[in-house]
Amino acid sequence: GQNIDQPTEMTATEGAIVQINCTYQTSGFNGLFWYQQHAGEAPTFLSYNVLDGLEEKGRFSSFLSRSKGYSYLLLKELQMKDSASYLCAVIDSNYQLIWGAGTKLIIKP
Amino acid sequence: DADVTQTPRNRITKTGKRIMLECSQTKGHDRMYWYRQDPGLGLRLIYYSFDVKDINKGEISDGYSVSRQAQAKFSLSLESAIPNQTALYFCATAKGSDTGELFFGEGSRLTVL
Repeated sequence: GQNIDQPTEMTATEGAIVQINCTYQTSGFNGLFWYQQHAGEAPTFLSYNVLDGLEEKGRFSSFLSRSKGYSYLLLKELQMKDSASYLCAVIDSNYQLIWGAGTKLIIKP
Repeated sequence: DADVTQTPRNRITKTGKRIMLECSQTKGHDRMYWYRQDPGLGLRLIYYSFDVKDINKGEISDGYSVSRQAQAKFSLSLESAIPNQTALYFCATAKGSDTGELFFGEGSRLTVL
């Protein structure tokens, strides 16, 4: 079966750095997305990785290792507004999008 | 105004009732999707459509049907609602690419009593 694993919940301090991990076992790989979802709202796109390495976009970076089936989302200089769920999703060999359950990130002052 | 609009945003209904959730978009995208989201689970695909004449079942299509009335409109129906269909439903759109990002509507919270 296809599976995406993320921690259920993480807590971090305002101003700090947090890394949210995602491991996947899918039938093939055609890319990986990270989305942010505030409580009760729609998911919004953060990043897309298809090649190994780090993609940086402001305070957020996303890393991919295809050989390890692993990605992480790195959030720097955390702000209270970063409190949200972060969803990892993988495009499989049939171009179907497989979603993880999401990681709820709690930011404390 | 939102580019992807869902109606209703909230609905409470009873077991056995027919329910329609509507989605309209102004993004001009060909691809439209219906997902449901349950606590502790990832988004699960119900149906998707790549153009007006194309309808495809997702992983959890049983108990649901859809209609693509126009490029901009994609409706989800529950012919006879049951309590385990209580969930948050999202419509999403994407450009005509297999790896394009999704743009989500604001969600429709459905409660079936």
